[in-house]
Formats: sequence, C-alpha cells, structure tokens
Amino acid sequence: EVQLVESGGGLVQPGGSLRLSCEASGFTFNTYIMNWVRQAPGKGLEWVSYISSSSSTIFYADSVKGRFTISRDNAKNSLYLQMNSLRAEDTAVYYCARAQSDGSSSPEYWGQGTLVTVSS
Amino acid sequence: QAVLTQPSSLSASPGASASLTCTLRSGINVGTYRIYWYQQKPGSPPQYLLRYKSDSDKQQGSGVPSRFSGSKDASANAGILLISGLLSEDEADYYCMIWHISAWVFGGGTKLTVL
Repeated sequence: EVQLVESGGGLVQPGGSLRLSCEASGFTFNTYIMNWVRQAPGKGLEWVSYISSSSSTIFYADSVKGRFTISRDNAKNSLYLQMNSLRAEDTAVYYCARAQSDGSSSPEYWGQGTLVTVSS
Repeated sequence: QAVLTQPSSLSASPGASASLTCTLRSGINVGTYRIYWYQQKPGSPPQYLLRYKSDSDKQQGSGVPSRFSGSKDASANAGILLISGLLSEDEADYYCMIWHISAWVFGGGTKLTVL
C-alpha cells in the first residue's frame, strides 16, 4: 500500500523559512517522480513543484520559483521542500504526491498533508 | 482569464447523471491535452479519478468505478467528467488538471451536491 506522510509544517513569520518532509513507503521510491501540491484554506489546489526519480529534472510553479527548493533522498525514501522568504499567501496545506507509474508526472497518490501558516 | 475554468457548483439528484465541465482558455486547444480529474471530500486529500485525451488514450484510476468517465466537447473546448448513477457519497469537490507550459495547472474546482 502506498503511504506518504508529510511533516514539518507549522507557524512561521513572514520572511521566514521552513522545511517540509515526506516519508514514502509501499512502493519503490527511487523509480517515481514526486510532486508537492498545496491548498490554501477553503481554496482550490495549486501545484508547487515536481522532481524526477533521479533529481535530474525539476519544475516549479512561477509563484514559488526562486524561493522554494524541492529535493529528495532516495536512500531515505524521502522528499523535501525547502521554503524560504515565506509570504502570507504561502499559507496552505502542503501535500506530497507520487506520480503515476506510466512515467507521467501527474499526481496519483497523495499524503494527508501538513499545514503551513505564515503569519506574524 | 484562467487556463482552466470550472463551474463553482453543480447539483444533481441521486441516481441521475452529472456532467462536470472544464473549459480551456481560448487559444489552448482541448484536443491536444490529457485532462486529469480528481475528487476531494472534506478533510481528505484529493483522489485521482481518471485521465482522458481520447477514446484511445484514457486511463481509469485504480479502484475507480466505471460510473466515472471522461470525454471532451471540442466545440466548447472543454473536458468533461461524467458521473452516472449518482450516489450520496459522490458529493465532493472535483478538480480538473492539465500540463501546460511546464506546469501542472488545476481548475478552480466544482462542488457537486447530491440531493
């Protein structure tokens, strides 16, 4: 069974930093593209970033480019999102999502999410 | 104008069918895109339902009932999620998504009420 467990969320002041983690199990982590997707309170879904299985290909949404960094450690079956220069509009539940098994980067399996609140 | 536009809400009766639309912005041709659909219930993460590009390029999510199907309306430049034989448990938010200019883009979502 695919399991994705996010952690690292919390309250941070504007301009601050936070590092999210996602621990994966139930599949061969080092063969899958991974995504981060966020959802502001009461709002819709917004894709944030994806990273290929070997970390060789990375994409970001324009809204986070230059501030967020996605990475992974295949030896630890873990995905990360380093978030710097945080803004109020970054407040959201952040989901880790595994991509499909056909090589597409589209999210298929999702974790339960971790809440990030940016506020003074 | 948003890349993907979904009606904010839709109501339908149990046992009926519901057609949820996802309209692509003018200039973006629906025929060239795989459209992905997700269901999200309150307090839960999204669940992948299916993707549809054409009858020869489509995929049903694992365990997703065949009551959920995808199609396109080229004249409206829209993707469609059809849910037949509506159940009360189908009440949820539904999101469409495409890969557009090096990013995954979601529609704003449709809240489906079954009553």
